Amino acid sequence: EPEVTQTPSHQVTQMGQEVILRCVPISNHLYFYWYRQILGQKVEFLVSFYNNEISEKSEIFDDQFSVERPDGSNFTLKIRSTKLEDSAMYFCASKRDSGDEQYFGPGTRLTVT
Amino acid sequence: AQKITQTQPGMFVQEKEAVTLDCTYDTSDPSYGLFWYKQPSSGEMIFLIYQGSYDQQNATEGRYSLNFQKARKSANLVISASQLGDSAMYFCAMRASHNQGGKLIFGQGTELSVKP
Repeated sequence: EPEVTQTPSHQVTQMGQEVILRCVPISNHLYFYWYRQILGQKVEFLVSFYNNEISEKSEIFDDQFSVERPDGSNFTLKIRSTKLEDSAMYFCASKRDSGDEQYFGPGTRLTVT
Repeated sequence: AQKITQTQPGMFVQEKEAVTLDCTYDTSDPSYGLFWYKQPSSGEMIFLIYQGSYDQQNATEGRYSLNFQKARKSANLVISASQLGDSAMYFCAMRASHNQGGKLIFGQGTELSVKP
């Protein structure tokens, strides 16, 4: 069964460094999302992407964040200058054009020191 | 404002018994979708079940069913015949938009422990 994949599974970085989190959505899906979950807290929406552009973003998704779909398969989240409070699990999700379910990847645990 | 509330931080259930996890929601949008996800200790988010606001029947998927009470704005998850592998965090979520591609808003989660 097709699934969303994410790399790396764990990323440790120093404050102020740039990180790129990578996702490969399910191949026939057209909607892509990034969510994050700070340890012990609920899952929060960051950004959605459709038709090669951002369709919605939350107030968390400030100028430090950006997303790209550089080719037909990858979907990336870049954090330009990481802060301690960016430490969280980052989930990529995708959804096909019809249907309602968003399928989540296994997540990337980002630790900012 | 759109909101999801899960009032049970933790629940215990005996193996093979049924358990209900509560979820209430608030939205002024007439069209919305309700979801349940399971998050085991390994961390991934597993989709369990979906209910659309206009669906007449309660959704069912194997041992999972969603008790949808629209007037009460509740969407409780019922797990029948609990198994040890059901021990996990469970999140209720809502897509509060007629846009099928809309974001999900999550509740705080309920941690379910299944006792042998």
